Amino acid sequence: AQTVTQSQPEMSVQEAETVTLSCTYDTSENNYYLFWYKQPPSRQMILVIRQEAYKQQNATENRFSVNFQKAAKSFSLKISDSQLGDTAMYFCAFMKHLFQGGSEKLVFGKGTKLTVNP
Amino acid sequence: KAGVTQTPRYLIKTRGQQVTLSCSPISGHRSVSWYQQTPGQGLQFLFEYFSETQRNKGNFPGRFSGRQFSNSRSEMNVSTLELGDSALYLCASSFGGRSTEAFFGQGTRLTVV
Repeated sequence: AQTVTQSQPEMSVQEAETVTLSCTYDTSENNYYLFWYKQPPSRQMILVIRQEAYKQQNATENRFSVNFQKAAKSFSLKISDSQLGDTAMYFCAFMKHLFQGGSEKLVFGKGTKLTVNP
Repeated sequence: KAGVTQTPRYLIKTRGQQVTLSCSPISGHRSVSWYQQTPGQGLQFLFEYFSETQRNKGNFPGRFSGRQFSNSRSEMNVSTLELGDSALYLCASSFGGRSTEAFFGQGTRLTVV
């Protein structure tokens, strides 16, 4: 079974600064996907960024980037130029790749509560 | 286009009752998954439906059940409610197939008293 661990329950950062959220996972699979989801107080989970395990290049989406270390099973999220709207719970998630297609369940970490201070 | 819609947003039920939650996926999406979110256990997978068939199921008791209709809308039912069933229930939809991007609804907050 896969597990996802987020070791930082809470973090805070000043507006415009950079913050890195940590995530480690455990799996025996070789092909999988990793995600960071954001859950603001409105409760809706929003996909921030996605990484395919077979890709060595780290994914980037505007101010969000990841540091994917497959051998170390580490998947951290870096938020640059933090904004007040980035305040939310951030969840790291794992999904097995299904070669025959189809959706597989997401396995989530416990989350990191990020507060961006003005 | 419209996002994933979950109804109702809030629900208060008494222990022993049953409850039905509804999820309307994004148009064209055929896969619907359900997750339970609690402060103690975090986000846990309940089940996934694709084209009216349950394809995947998490480790929840049989009191938790679901179904999917031909228009891909899904319902989740919990019978004989327990206090521990109080949670945020999230629904996610995707195209299914090789798609990996899941879009979530705002959830239904269930409180069991």
